[in-house]
Amino acid sequence: KAGVTQTPRYLIKTRGQQVTLSCSPISGHRSVSWYQQTPGQGLQFLFEYFSETQRNKGNFPGRFSGRQFSNSRSEMNVSTLELGDSALYLCASSLTGAVNTEAFFGQGTRLTVV
Amino acid sequence: EDQVTQSPEALRLQEGESSSLNCSYTVSGLRGLFWYRQDPGKGPEFLFTLYSAGEEKEKERLKATLTKKESFLHITAPKPEDSATYLCAVQATSYDKVIFGPGTSLSVIP
Repeated sequence: KAGVTQTPRYLIKTRGQQVTLSCSPISGHRSVSWYQQTPGQGLQFLFEYFSETQRNKGNFPGRFSGRQFSNSRSEMNVSTLELGDSALYLCASSLTGAVNTEAFFGQGTRLTVV
Repeated sequence: EDQVTQSPEALRLQEGESSSLNCSYTVSGLRGLFWYRQDPGKGPEFLFTLYSAGEEKEKERLKATLTKKESFLHITAPKPEDSATYLCAVQATSYDKVIFGPGTSLSVIP
């Protein structure tokens, strides 16, 4: 079966701009979680969406936002980009997001802010 | 504060040399502990979920165990293709978000 698809794979943006990243989960999966991965901080949870509703949120500023559509595809948006936002952004999908359901990660979007 | 630590930070093994990776966690109540493998430039790949102390799971050369404060990932007779970063993560009962550890970078030398 098709895996989790993230687009684009690579992105270069300038400070102050905004960016939108996309995640298409595995067919039938209703939970999508987003993570930021950096060498210094590791994998940090951003937020989780389930059936178009944000169910959980990590400790990131309001510049980071997301949404989920009726087909479970999800987007995350970062406004007023800062140099420190440079990272690998990963999304993970699972059937329900419950602890006993396996989460599958996409390849990630590598964002570079210059 | 809930946190997850992993040791060692990096591990270099000869092919066939068995070893263990450690994941220590501090959470108010454990809902589940996860092990993932991540190859360079790729997203993490799910390996195991453990739910309660005493539980063990195996997959090929990997075996994960869980106690009340830590988990071990035992690697038996590793091969070069086992080289990757191994990530541990926990989900607490008090909230649904997942906290990841910093990972252990494993290199298996032929």
